[in-house]
Amino acid sequence: EAQVTQNPRYLITVTGKKLTVTCSQNMNHEYMSWYRQDPGLGLRQIYYSMNVEVTDKGDVPEGYKVSRKEKRNFPLILESPSPNQTSLYFCASSKGGLQETQYFGPGTRLLVL
Amino acid sequence: GESVGLHLPTLSVQEGDNSIINCAYSNSASDYFIWYKQESGKGPQFIIDIRSNMDKRQGQRVTVLLNKTVKHLSLQIAATQPGDSAVYFCAEAPWDFNKFYFGSGTKLNVKP
Repeated sequence: EAQVTQNPRYLITVTGKKLTVTCSQNMNHEYMSWYRQDPGLGLRQIYYSMNVEVTDKGDVPEGYKVSRKEKRNFPLILESPSPNQTSLYFCASSKGGLQETQYFGPGTRLLVL
Repeated sequence: GESVGLHLPTLSVQEGDNSIINCAYSNSASDYFIWYKQESGKGPQFIIDIRSNMDKRQGQRVTVLLNKTVKHLSLQIAATQPGDSAVYFCAEAPWDFNKFYFGSGTKLNVKP
């Protein structure tokens, strides 16, 4: 089944404790992206990757890192999480460029205490 | 960042009626617009898209209308069904197609 998977689905952590949210797609997609979703703000793009080893900042990249060492994986790294990063995170992928339909993962709900 | 918003946060319709969800955008240079549906506990799901060189596009039971003059986008759902109950987002991508800007969403409630 073609899908985007994220792990973990739920995470509670404390301020300053590094964490990684994994994202993997099995559709051989070139483009991958991370979003956060907050009440009243819709989805905001954090980082995106046009291809392996190519990443760029979205609208709200502060406090996040990403890497794209292989096509199928695009982990989101929070080196020192803070409470304002409490949010619902979505990973998405598409064949190439945003004009192609983006497929979203199920989401990761993060709580930073 | 870009400003993409929605006129109504919640819309209630009777099953079988047509629904219209509206969206305003601020960047006249935006080239690509998309509607997504998000059901509770799930990620957004693509519904339909439209390029700026078009003013209307139809899918299965859905139609997207684009009015560039007033920078307005709408999603029409024909014969709304209970399964259409969800939050609907519009999104825009400017000329470089590298970034998306989403609106805050409209919740559609379909009453049986």
